[in-house]
Amino acid sequence: RKEVEQDPGPFNVPEGATVAFNCTYSNSASQSFFWYRQDCRKEPKLLMSVYSSGNEDGRFTAQLNRASQYISLLIRDSKLSDSATYLCVVNRGGGATNKLIFGTGTLLAVQP
Amino acid sequence: NAGVTQTPKFQVLKTGQSMTLQCAQDMNHNSMYWYRQDPGMGLRLIYYSASEGTTDKGEVPNGYNVSRLNKREFSLRLESAAPSQTSVYFCASSESYGGTAEQFFGPGTRLTVL
Repeated sequence: RKEVEQDPGPFNVPEGATVAFNCTYSNSASQSFFWYRQDCRKEPKLLMSVYSSGNEDGRFTAQLNRASQYISLLIRDSKLSDSATYLCVVNRGGGATNKLIFGTGTLLAVQP
Repeated sequence: NAGVTQTPKFQVLKTGQSMTLQCAQDMNHNSMYWYRQDPGMGLRLIYYSASEGTTDKGEVPNGYNVSRLNKREFSLRLESAAPSQTSVYFCASSESYGGTAEQFFGPGTRLTVL
């Protein structure tokens, strides 16, 4: 079983739709959680960190459920420019380590 | 401010050849990392350098060596390339090696080993 698991998709949605991705992690000691975005043939870039209380950044909302060990990302009012692969990322260690474990990503294709 | 730069962008090697991938960052970051990305595998950590003067193995270090030349530069060497090392290689850096420090990635090197 992979340490971080995501549905690879693709998720094909029309512009304006709301779409949600889930991600599960297996290491209960994981401390920090992130969503990165990776455009085709480009490098990953941080989209947002995920906090226990949930957090929102414009059209994007991230949630963390520690009890069930899953993370979610909700995108509202999808834009064509949201088309990308979304990587769920977990910091395996706490405190003094910064070892990130990456999911394989979920591909989102927003259609006109 | 270029961020993280990598050279070369593309490379084709024959089995057994050696090469060094170069990475540099201009953000005065303390920590640097090398990852490889393969289809269906996600990014996997090869080596990292928590601070200048230190290097440590990551998840998949076999077949690779690294050098933290100075605070800015972190190179990855393949001594004897194998087809299994065909991949996209990303270098990354972060301000520190603790907590939730964001990692910034370079544009990647696409390596094919024949």
